[in-house]
Amino acid sequence: KAGVTQTPRYLIKTRGQQVTLSCSPISGHRSVSWYQQTPGQGLQFLFEYFSETQRNKGNFPGRFSGRQFSNSRSEMNVSTLELGDSALYLCASSDHRGRGANTEAFFGQGTRLTVV
Amino acid sequence: AQSVSQHNHHVILSEAASLELGCNYSYGGTVNLFWYVQYPGQHLQLLLKYFSGDPLVKGIKGFEAEFIKSKFSFNLRKPSVQWSDTAEYFCAVMSSNTGKLIFGQGTTLQVKP
Repeated sequence: KAGVTQTPRYLIKTRGQQVTLSCSPISGHRSVSWYQQTPGQGLQFLFEYFSETQRNKGNFPGRFSGRQFSNSRSEMNVSTLELGDSALYLCASSDHRGRGANTEAFFGQGTRLTVV
Repeated sequence: AQSVSQHNHHVILSEAASLELGCNYSYGGTVNLFWYVQYPGQHLQLLLKYFSGDPLVKGIKGFEAEFIKSKFSFNLRKPSVQWSDTAEYFCAVMSSNTGKLIFGQGTTLQVKP
């Protein structure tokens, strides 16, 4: 099975621009979660999508949004980029289907976003 | 609110030394517990996981962890570390009702040859 694929691997954007990151989960996985990793804040949960619906959301401003397509692929969008948005953005997929599920998350390599 | 706390931010050991990394979590319901490792320049990889049953779980590369429910702890151990264990280690909790992972701050382990 192919792993979780994130594109692009690296991005450099200017303040005020917007960016879209993509994540293809492991085949058969319907849950996709996004995380931001920074040296200061560690790994923070952004949001989770399951079957095209946002199931959970972290404490990030509305500039951070996402969506999931019918093939479970997910995109994350950040608008009006700020310098503080520079981070490694990680995507994870799982087959977590809801209440009582025992499953693990598999991570992609991440997209390194630098805002200048 | 759910939270995960890792006791050590930076650990330096010599090869063959024993390792124990502390992890405590705060959550009122049923949780699944994980330790992930991130080697330099690589993606997060699962070391081991606990869902239920035997509280002592064994993972890859000789790592093990013990779940102590009364202490809300899930400490990671390895009897004898190797230089190749140099990495960042993350403890994480997932509610059994969602796919959301809450991570600890991470522990950077440096093993000296």
